[in-house]
Amino acid sequence: GAGVSQSPSNKVTEKGKDVELRCDPISGHTALYWYRQSLGQGLEFLIYFQGNSAPDKSGLPSDRFSAERTGGSVSTLTIQRTQQEDSAVYLCASSFQVSSDTIYFGEGSWLTVV
Amino acid sequence: RKEVEQDPGPFNVPEGATVAFNCTYSNSASQSFFWYRQDCRKEPKLLMSVYSSGNEDGRFTAQLNRASQYISLLIRDSKLSDSATYLCVVGNTGTYKYIFGTGTRLKVLA
Repeated sequence: GAGVSQSPSNKVTEKGKDVELRCDPISGHTALYWYRQSLGQGLEFLIYFQGNSAPDKSGLPSDRFSAERTGGSVSTLTIQRTQQEDSAVYLCASSFQVSSDTIYFGEGSWLTVV
Repeated sequence: RKEVEQDPGPFNVPEGATVAFNCTYSNSASQSFFWYRQDCRKEPKLLMSVYSSGNEDGRFTAQLNRASQYISLLIRDSKLSDSATYLCVVGNTGTYKYIFGTGTRLKVLA
């Protein structure tokens, strides 16, 4: 597609439920990144993919968070047993290569856990 | 020490003013540098890349000082529409992370 596409754009969920956030990167971009941004805060790096591989998952806040990428394209970030502190905007970004090219962001998935 | 540090501001300036932001980074192996702009409740968008020789795009000028490990952004003739948060971003070729600063908030006042 023309840009990074994320869905859902907004999600309200009850505490304890699982959520899945989807990211469709720019076509041809091999690198894909997930960031989290709480209201009024900076961007927190979560995980990145090079192709389908996630070499470093240390940015994930807890084992309730997981992510996968299939076919070198779409990625899904899953949060299990959501907590109120998970409320944030989850931003996906992609770049042609890792760490040397411009990264382009999607509009984010705004998650509210009530 | 944070990997990328910025003055959070806010910088309140009148229309037409010139304003400059600095950003320091701690990893001397950093190889790519960017300024992003983020409007309230929006995603970050690339403002400009920062090259070793410095670069200019209209009213915006970016500089890199490797010896002192900082990058700067200069905005001339500020417009109301320049009001936003400006994020400094540093990438290390060969690793995976783009490290974002927490941003500098600019308010241009009429």
